[in-house]
Amino acid sequence: ETGVTQSPTHLIKTRGQQVTLRCSSQSGHNTVSWYQQALGQGPQFIFQYYREEENGRGNFPPRFSGLQFPNYSSELNVNALELDDSALYLCASSSPGTGLGEQFFGPGTRLTVL
Amino acid sequence: AQSVTQLDSQVPVFEEAPVELRCNYSSSVSVYLFWYVQYPNQGLQLLLKYLSGSTLVKGINGFEAEFNKSQTSFHLRKPSVHISDTAEYFCAVRGGYGGSQGNLIFGKGTKLSVKP
Repeated sequence: ETGVTQSPTHLIKTRGQQVTLRCSSQSGHNTVSWYQQALGQGPQFIFQYYREEENGRGNFPPRFSGLQFPNYSSELNVNALELDDSALYLCASSSPGTGLGEQFFGPGTRLTVL
Repeated sequence: AQSVTQLDSQVPVFEEAPVELRCNYSSSVSVYLFWYVQYPNQGLQLLLKYLSGSTLVKGINGFEAEFNKSQTSFHLRKPSVHISDTAEYFCAVRGGYGGSQGNLIFGKGTKLSVKP
């Protein structure tokens, strides 16, 4: 069974640029959630995708957007990068069968904005 | 609205000593609680969860937690820690977003440092 994978591992961008992060969900999981973990903080919920549609969103501006594909993989796009967007971005997958609220996390993508 | 407070940002402890990591929560809906562990440069791994039933929950790696509704707490304990338990621990409560599966609301984390 393949776990949650994310790419790339690390990324360096400059302010104002755009970035795309990718996530492959665990086999059999149809839901993907994205979290931002700033240095020294706990992860914060960005949004969730279920069956290719956004299924819930946290307190993040519209320049954070996403996609989910028919194979349940997902992308997180961030436009007009700001210095505060520097963080570890975590993807988590789940499905109704995995247990209420339980999510399986990938290793994350470390984004640095200069 | 739901929230989580982890009362200690860092907990140093000697190997084979017991440890307790404290977590308090606030929730206006049904309470589902989780503890996750994050090793350096890795994602989060589920240690244990409380959904309903027995208030004492046992997890992986010898950890356990007790749900206390009156004190709105969900403290994590281990009777004897190992060097390999050195990591950051996050308490989380299920939030109200994300349909039936929900999102997770995390505390700021507690860094457990086990010394020989």
